[in-house]
Amino acid sequence: KAGVTQTPRYLIKTRGQQVTLSCSPISGHRSVSWYQQTPGQGLQFLFEYFSETQRNKGNFPGRFSGRQFSNSRSEMNVSTLELGDSALYLCASRESTDDTEAFFGQGTRLTVV
Amino acid sequence: DAKTTQPNSMESNEEEPVHLPCNHSTISGTDYIHWYRQLPSQGPEYVIHGLTSNVNNRMASLAIAEDRKSSTLILHRATLRDAAVYYCILRDDTGANSKLTFGKGITLSVRP
Repeated sequence: KAGVTQTPRYLIKTRGQQVTLSCSPISGHRSVSWYQQTPGQGLQFLFEYFSETQRNKGNFPGRFSGRQFSNSRSEMNVSTLELGDSALYLCASRESTDDTEAFFGQGTRLTVV
Repeated sequence: DAKTTQPNSMESNEEEPVHLPCNHSTISGTDYIHWYRQLPSQGPEYVIHGLTSNVNNRMASLAIAEDRKSSTLILHRATLRDAAVYYCILRDDTGANSKLTFGKGITLSVRP
């Protein structure tokens, strides 16, 4: 089975722009979670989607949003980018919300200049 | 979320056992103890999890204190590939809470 695929791997954007990141979960996995990793704050939970519905949300401003499609692929969007949004964005998939083990992708490295 | 406390870093020699400690004095009865690790330039990787009893899998063993206020991840023979940041995480797996709350983790260095 292919692992979790995140695209693009690297991205450079300008302050004020918006960005969309994509995550394709492992085939058959219906739960997708997003995390932000920065040197200062570490790994922080953004949100989780299951069957196209957001089930959990972390403490991030409304500029951060996501969605999930019927094929379980997920996208996250960040609007009005700020310098502090520069981070590694990680996606994790699980077969279901009851499943213990989360499988992470390699992440998308976003740099905001 | 209940918090975990880990040392910042540890060093080990290759092919020797490594014991990575984690304190979680405010753990609740329904919190499971999860361990993930993150290799350089990779996303986190699941290692092991447990509730009360000690657990073994192909990667590691998890020893849980009787009062569950601490646990130890045991790598039986460290290899250079085991150099990573190891995260000890508590999560209530019985409810709808599915997020993983990562702390700073412990950075393991392995000497050849």
